[in-house]
Amino acid sequence: GAVVSQHPSWVICKSGTSVKIECRSLDFQATTMFWYRQFPKQSLMLMATSNEGSKATYEQGVEKDKFLINHASLTLSTLTVTSAHPEDSSFYICSARGAELSTDTQYFGPGTRLTVL
Amino acid sequence: DAKTTQPTSMDCAEGRAANLPCNHSTISGNEYVYWYRQIHSQGPQYIIHGLKNNETNEMASLIITEDRKSSTLILPHATLRDTAVYYCIVKRGSGNTPLVFGKGTRLSVIA
Repeated sequence: GAVVSQHPSWVICKSGTSVKIECRSLDFQATTMFWYRQFPKQSLMLMATSNEGSKATYEQGVEKDKFLINHASLTLSTLTVTSAHPEDSSFYICSARGAELSTDTQYFGPGTRLTVL
Repeated sequence: DAKTTQPTSMDCAEGRAANLPCNHSTISGNEYVYWYRQIHSQGPQYIIHGLKNNETNEMASLIITEDRKSSTLILPHATLRDTAVYYCIVKRGSGNTPLVFGKGTRLSVIA
């Protein structure tokens, strides 16, 4: 149980284009989802927290107009990187927490590697 | 949330127990200790968590000191597939509090 999927697993795009990453909770309803990014040889950095049906809360330094997060259902959240640039190249990871899961544990997706040319 | 301190790296022989320490001297009464690991180029994997009692599951054991200022994650019989970065995270038990990752311990299991 408690499986989180992400799609796509990797994507290459041209500078200036937008990329959408999907995060799905497969066997539970995710009341809260979190988005992280990870640069090479670094730890995970929290980008934003989203609750189903509400606007996302972004961490300091993360541009909300550049990283659009939608959490329209209890099983799906999307992250859209708008007007991507090479410095946005990173490993993007989502995690989900469900109300029915025990003691607030977060489960992570496998990650999406974004390369912007 | 309380800060944690972990060694940067550790080695362990295959088949032996891996003991990963974590200091969290400023932990509060309502904060849990969580352990996750990240194998290269994958998302973090949940291992175990606890509040004050020792915990065991199919993956590992978590030993928390009586004063809760430190803990140890034990992988009883390490295999090569256990090579990963292990993160010890202290977090309040409230629903929307996210996990905040430090640098973790890079465990290398050696044949």
